[in-house]
Amino acid sequence: EPEVTQTPSHQVTQMGQEVILRCVPISNHLYFYWYRQILGQKVEFLVSFYNNEISEKSEIFDDQFSVERPDGSNFTLKIRSTKLEDSAMYFCASSEYYLGDFYEQYFGPGTRLTVT
Amino acid sequence: AQSVTQLDSHVSVSEGTPVLLRCNYSSSYSPSLFWYVQHPNKGLQLLLKYTSAATLVKGINGFEAEFKKSETSFHLTKPSAHMSDAAEYFCVVTSNTGNQFYFGTGTSLTVIP
Repeated sequence: EPEVTQTPSHQVTQMGQEVILRCVPISNHLYFYWYRQILGQKVEFLVSFYNNEISEKSEIFDDQFSVERPDGSNFTLKIRSTKLEDSAMYFCASSEYYLGDFYEQYFGPGTRLTVT
Repeated sequence: AQSVTQLDSHVSVSEGTPVLLRCNYSSSYSPSLFWYVQHPNKGLQLLLKYTSAATLVKGINGFEAEFKKSETSFHLTKPSAHMSDAAEYFCVVTSNTGNQFYFGTGTSLTVIP
């Protein structure tokens, strides 16, 4: 069964450093998403991406964050200058899109980001 | 605004007994609702979804949920718990565009042998 994959599974970085989290969505999916889950808190929406541009983003997704689909298979989340509060589990998801219907999102296993 | 409240942070049941995980939602439009399950070190897996068709929705692994608009609820049930059901369960409501998912805080299910 096709699945969303994410690399690395765990990333440790120092405050102020840039990190790139990588995701490979399911191949025929058109919508891509990033979510994060700070330890002990809810899973929170960050951004959705369709047709090579951001479709929606939350208040969390400020100028420090960016997303890209560099090569038609990978979908990346970049954090320019990490802060301690960016430490969280980051989930990538993808979905098919059919006009007038909402399709489920398929989630990857997550990347645990630890900022020290 | 959309939101989801999962009424129990932790539920413990004996193997073979029924499971009830409660979820109430708040939405200004007709929502789509989902239940996802997360096993340790695994991604979020879809259990079932409601998208304005039948109000009783059947999912994988014997789970089902009933959409009750009058009670703004979408509780997840299973007649007989199995050890493999032990996991974290998330109730999710979509934004009106369907692009954003709003998660509940999760319910941790423990199954006692």
